[in-house]
Amino acid sequence: ETGVTQTPRHLVMGMTNKKSLKCEQHLGHNAMYWYKQSAKKPLELMFVYNFKEQTENNSVPSRFSPECPNSSHLFLHLHTLQPEDSALYLCASSQDLGGGADTQYFGPGTRLTVL
Amino acid sequence: AQTVTQSQPEMSVQEAETVTLSCTYDTSESDYYLFWYKQPPSRQMILVIRQEAYKQQNATENRFSVNFQKAAKSFSLKISDSQLGDAAMYFCAYRSGGGAGGTSYGKLTFGQGTILTVHP
Repeated sequence: ETGVTQTPRHLVMGMTNKKSLKCEQHLGHNAMYWYKQSAKKPLELMFVYNFKEQTENNSVPSRFSPECPNSSHLFLHLHTLQPEDSALYLCASSQDLGGGADTQYFGPGTRLTVL
Repeated sequence: AQTVTQSQPEMSVQEAETVTLSCTYDTSESDYYLFWYKQPPSRQMILVIRQEAYKQQNATENRFSVNFQKAAKSFSLKISDSQLGDAAMYFCAYRSGGGAGGTSYGKLTFGQGTILTVHP
């Protein structure tokens, strides 16, 4: 196990629902990431947080709202999503953003289906 | 911007045989790192091997080794003595070293992935 957990593992929601994805890392890391993995596409970086501060928003639509209350927890709040937002959402963490060979450790992902 | 290309959507190998997965990348940076990640059907992405661009020696981790050709911007993964547990999606990824001209945060750029099937 990599020490990064995500809940829920599966989520089905309607376009008018509001839901949240949760990520928790038990590795003592300072940086956390949200990625989107769609079928037949490379993983797309969505957000980066370092020491609770957002350092990257990769042109993500505002219907995705991240929250990082502390270095161990990362949330992704979802509202008025579209069917094309259905994907696997992966959380990752790393020691920091200092560059170098800092390894990112991934959670198991949340499989999101938007009806 | 950096790009990573995996030209093999699917590969297959017989158990105990050797298979090579291809990856090419495009960058103008001189300081960077390359990674191979494995994503089994359980979906937990795990690091297989990494290579520092400044090192000429190819990285090796047990049955996994890379062929890093910096001039050709090629980074292939060789899996020797393939096992059923090696079956997974494999992703090649690039990360800037954070030096001059590079980004200073931990952004990984991934390829499209290669699905590896291992036949008993």
